[in-house]
Amino acid sequence: GESVGLHLPTLSVQEGDNSIINCAYSNSASDYFIWYKQESGKGPQFIIDIRSNMDKRQGQRVTVLLNKTVKHLSLQIAATQPGDSAVYFCAENIRPSGNTPLVFGKGTRLSVIA
Amino acid sequence: KAGVTQTPRYLIKTRGQQVTLSCSPISGHRSVSWYQQTPGQGLQFLFEYFSETQRNKGNFPGRFSGRQFSNSRSEMNVSTLELGDSALYLCASSLGSGGETQYFGPGTRLLVL
Repeated sequence: GESVGLHLPTLSVQEGDNSIINCAYSNSASDYFIWYKQESGKGPQFIIDIRSNMDKRQGQRVTVLLNKTVKHLSLQIAATQPGDSAVYFCAENIRPSGNTPLVFGKGTRLSVIA
Repeated sequence: KAGVTQTPRYLIKTRGQQVTLSCSPISGHRSVSWYQQTPGQGLQFLFEYFSETQRNKGNFPGRFSGRQFSNSRSEMNVSTLELGDSALYLCASSLGSGGETQYFGPGTRLLVL
């Protein structure tokens, strides 16, 4: 199976609340992680990334947390808006001497309730 | 800077036919990766091209092939189409140095009848 997986396939959140989307990874050699957002009919859109030498990174309304001890990644969206409704994917990349492709989780669908 | 573009956006084919999809990466990006996305399997890696060479390959049959041109544009081909090949085909480009963000195009939705 895939080395990157998601705990929850769907998440419903009230508008204005914070959202937390979780992701587990199994490859301890992974050193780069990315969150993507995919809206209906579109390709995945880069949201935020984090390298393994960090445990937290913040963007605009989004924060990614990395816990290497338990191989867990999360995406926090503050003050969730209707436009945040989409499928969110985490992806991991190993950077050994060569190059390996990104490995994607199956995605979590975020539904924002107005 | 223009994003990743893919053509065509939609395609309908019948079983047994072949199809060629095209991807133009972001200017300056030398790596192009292809993915198949289906509701049941999610995003699955097909292959990656860098400097006109296939650098990585996923677990897809030989009916799926690709190539990259000197201007980094890439094409993928699927021969002898099967119903199960119906999917959204996405390409993503990156600089190519490894361990970096990939930027996706809008995808080509292929329907095989």
